[in-house]
Amino acid sequence: LAKTTQPISMDSYEGQEVNITCSHNNIATNDYITWYQQFPSQGPRFIIQGYKTKVTNEVASLFIPADRKSSTLSLPRVSLSDTAVYYCLVGFMNYGGSQGNLIFGKGTKLSVKP
Amino acid sequence: NAGVTQTPKFQVLKTGQSMTLQCAQDMNHNSMYWYRQDPGMGLRLIYYSASEGTTDKGEVPNGYNVSRLNKREFSLRLESAAPSQTSVYFCASSLIAGKPNEQFFGPGTRLTVL
Repeated sequence: LAKTTQPISMDSYEGQEVNITCSHNNIATNDYITWYQQFPSQGPRFIIQGYKTKVTNEVASLFIPADRKSSTLSLPRVSLSDTAVYYCLVGFMNYGGSQGNLIFGKGTKLSVKP
Repeated sequence: NAGVTQTPKFQVLKTGQSMTLQCAQDMNHNSMYWYRQDPGMGLRLIYYSASEGTTDKGEVPNGYNVSRLNKREFSLRLESAAPSQTSVYFCASSLIAGKPNEQFFGPGTRLTVL
């Protein structure tokens, strides 16, 4: 299982772009890179997933270099409501099978200030 | 659609008591999971069920049992609760096709074992 390393915490101000980098040196060929967001007293919520290059959706972008040993979650123009813990996961859940696993690390606690 | 529902929301047990945490999803997902989250920590996988009729151990299965009752329901049982099992328990489900790592989480059950 690929281990991930990400900063424990980050601070930002409203309106700024926030980039959270995750390192995963031993990522496997089949592994996807996935980011989740968790607010206090709630379950995690899927944000974005990618395999290589760049992926963008309505809330975030995910940048993955060619060697896939790291990835960067980019949150444009953050607001106070983006204060949460962000988890980077690397892995692959095989459909209908028993292989595969996802490991949630401690995540990055993002604090957005006014 | 209710998504993933969990009951109860809160529970206090005495050491040695047993209980079952219930989880149900109405999204026709194939896979279901049970996680625990301790203060300041990420989520750790207890058990998962890749498809109806199968269950597998995750990272921390000791002291727990699970039952995949049907495609919708996945229960977690503590046979003899211990203070070390004080935690927040999250159930999740996923439909692998398209986004293999996208899991949908329930609101959690906060369990205290005295």
